[in-house]
Amino acid sequence: QIQLVQSGAEVKKSGASVKVSCKASGYTFINYGISWVRQAPGQGLEWMGWISTYNGDSKYAQKFQGRVTVTTDTSTNTVYMELRSLRFDDTATYFCTRTKWFGELLWFDPWGQGTLVTVSS
Amino acid sequence: QSVLTQPPSVSGAPGQTVTISCTGTISNIGAGHDVHWYQQLPGIAPKLLIYGNTNRPSGVPDRFSGSKSATSASLAISGLQSEDEADYYCQSYDTSLSGPVAFGGGTKVTVL
Repeated sequence: QIQLVQSGAEVKKSGASVKVSCKASGYTFINYGISWVRQAPGQGLEWMGWISTYNGDSKYAQKFQGRVTVTTDTSTNTVYMELRSLRFDDTATYFCTRTKWFGELLWFDPWGQGTLVTVSS
Repeated sequence: QSVLTQPPSVSGAPGQTVTISCTGTISNIGAGHDVHWYQQLPGIAPKLLIYGNTNRPSGVPDRFSGSKSATSASLAISGLQSEDEADYYCQSYDTSLSGPVAFGGGTKVTVL
């Protein structure tokens, strides 16, 4: 079955960086991009960025431009999301999700289990 | 503040029908872009419920249905069951500076 398995929870200091991984299985990896979506405690969903696993092209939400980088490793079917200069309000659960993107048609299915990133002092 | 507007909560008794609205603007739903819906049960990852306004992925009960009009969309849950108690999010493509992805703020469905 199609699965996205993410790395474990992280606790980081303010100002540090975090790198979360997402390993895909059960489908042809390069046929679908991967997006990252985060959810602060008790809050809604927020899209951060996307990568084409086919050619490595990426797009980021304006809010995260310059602070987030998404990369892909086709040899291991894994996508990574690195967020730098962590702030307290970056404390959230980070989800990777397989992205179906055709022109202006874009949706997410399935989702990884989520990785809790806690930013502390 | 989310780009798409959803009511914070709706509730209904078992067996009833509840409807969740999702209101957009000319940069997303109003531009004709499709709306998709996700269900998030407590403590777990979201799951695709409806894609392309009205389509259910395999395995989603036909109690869930979606519709779309000019600048809004709706998710209806008929024959409400206790396991439907969850948060529901709408999502669309967005051509504004906050795009290309717009989410609603989420609606908590409570089964009375």
